[in-house]
Amino acid sequence: DIQMTQSPSTLSASVGDRVTITCRASQSISSWLAWYQQKPGKAPKLLIYKASSLESGVPSRFSGSGSGTEFTLTISSLQPDDFATYYCQQYNSYSFTFGPGTKVDIK
Amino acid sequence: EVQVVESGGGLVQPGGSLRLSCAASGFTFSSYWMSWVRQAPGKGLEWVANIKQDGSEKYYVDSVKGRFTISRDNAKNSLYLQMNSLRAEDTAVYYCARAGLTGYYMDVWGKGTTVTVSS
Repeated sequence: DIQMTQSPSTLSASVGDRVTITCRASQSISSWLAWYQQKPGKAPKLLIYKASSLESGVPSRFSGSGSGTEFTLTISSLQPDDFATYYCQQYNSYSFTFGPGTKVDIK
Repeated sequence: EVQVVESGGGLVQPGGSLRLSCAASGFTFSSYWMSWVRQAPGKGLEWVANIKQDGSEKYYVDSVKGRFTISRDNAKNSLYLQMNSLRAEDTAVYYCARAGLTGYYMDVWGKGTTVTVSS
């Protein structure tokens, strides 16, 4: 099975900061990677699919990049609504594993 | 409005069974792969199972193989998860999710239903 890791596990940042989260796969997944945002007590929300495609309605300050085994999610200017936990998910194989999550909290 | 709504969660004893349901609306249910994803208390997301549009292909995470069965009824716009031989480690919020048209990412999520396995 493909294993996913994320770094950092927690990130403290301020409004307006540029934030980057890294996701790594244990083997190549081409561009079959999605990013989700989850707030406490709420369902996850799709942000990015196919590594860099922005889901409709998601603010353009979110962007994704990478291919193969290393991917990044970037928030260009952190907004108050962005404090949440972010998960990557690979869908290259029929065991659709999620990363362990990165919590973005207020510095 | 495109939405999926889960139901059927509850408290069940270890070894017991439970059937989750997911009602879809606002989209052509029969055109999409569908998935179940769970989240144990204080933990991350775990994909559980998914099913092809016509039900001909089903995939499961190793930890539920042989115990859980995913199914769907396209005439009723409904997805199901039959859970047998439940264990304490199956305790979680279970989300129903629609897979995207261009890949197995999940673009529509329900609010979840809580399953607690405890004596």
